[in-house]
Amino acid sequence: GAGVSQSPSNKVTEKGKDVELRCDPISGHTALYWYRQSLGQGLEFLIYFQGNSAPDKSGLPSDRFSAERTGGSVSTLTIQRTQQEDSAVYLCASISRDSDGYTFGSGTRLTVV
Amino acid sequence: QQQVKQSPQSLIVQKGGISIINCAYENTAFDYFPWYQQFPGKGPALLIAIRPDVSEKKEGRFTISFNKSAKQFSLHIMDSQPGDSATYFCAARKWSNTGKLIFGQGTTLQVKP
Repeated sequence: GAGVSQSPSNKVTEKGKDVELRCDPISGHTALYWYRQSLGQGLEFLIYFQGNSAPDKSGLPSDRFSAERTGGSVSTLTIQRTQQEDSAVYLCASISRDSDGYTFGSGTRLTVV
Repeated sequence: QQQVKQSPQSLIVQKGGISIINCAYENTAFDYFPWYQQFPGKGPALLIAIRPDVSEKKEGRFTISFNKSAKQFSLHIMDSQPGDSATYFCAARKWSNTGKLIFGQGTTLQVKP
């Protein structure tokens, strides 16, 4: 597609439930990133995937968070047993080898009630 | 060492004025410094970027000034317009075009007509 697509755009879930957030990067982009943006805060790095290399999971805040990237394309971020502090906008970005800048999606706004 | 510190947190400028946002970093391995612009409900978009082999880069009304010895860089928006009202993030990474970006906390700019 023309841009990075994220779904759903909004998600309200009950505390303790699991959620899955999806990112469809730009076709051909080799690297994919997940960031979290809490209200009024900067962008917190979560995880990134680069080709067939092992993902850099150093930003995941707890073992309730996991992500996978299937076939070098679509990625899913899973949050298990959601907590209220997980409420944030989750942003996905991708980049090609020929570019400098990330292309971000519009994010998924997650609200845990 | 991984932090990027951004100031001010918010900024109000009159139309036609100059908006200045500052960032400082600690990790001397960083050698790529982009600025991103984010409108409400959208993901951040790359605005302008600089590498430390130059002290200034200008694109239209937007200029990055870079001071390697002080480990600081700043964004100047000349002739600020109401349409520039947005949140601005500085960022930094080690030069590998697929490396993760470390973002500042963001500056909310309001340009008054």
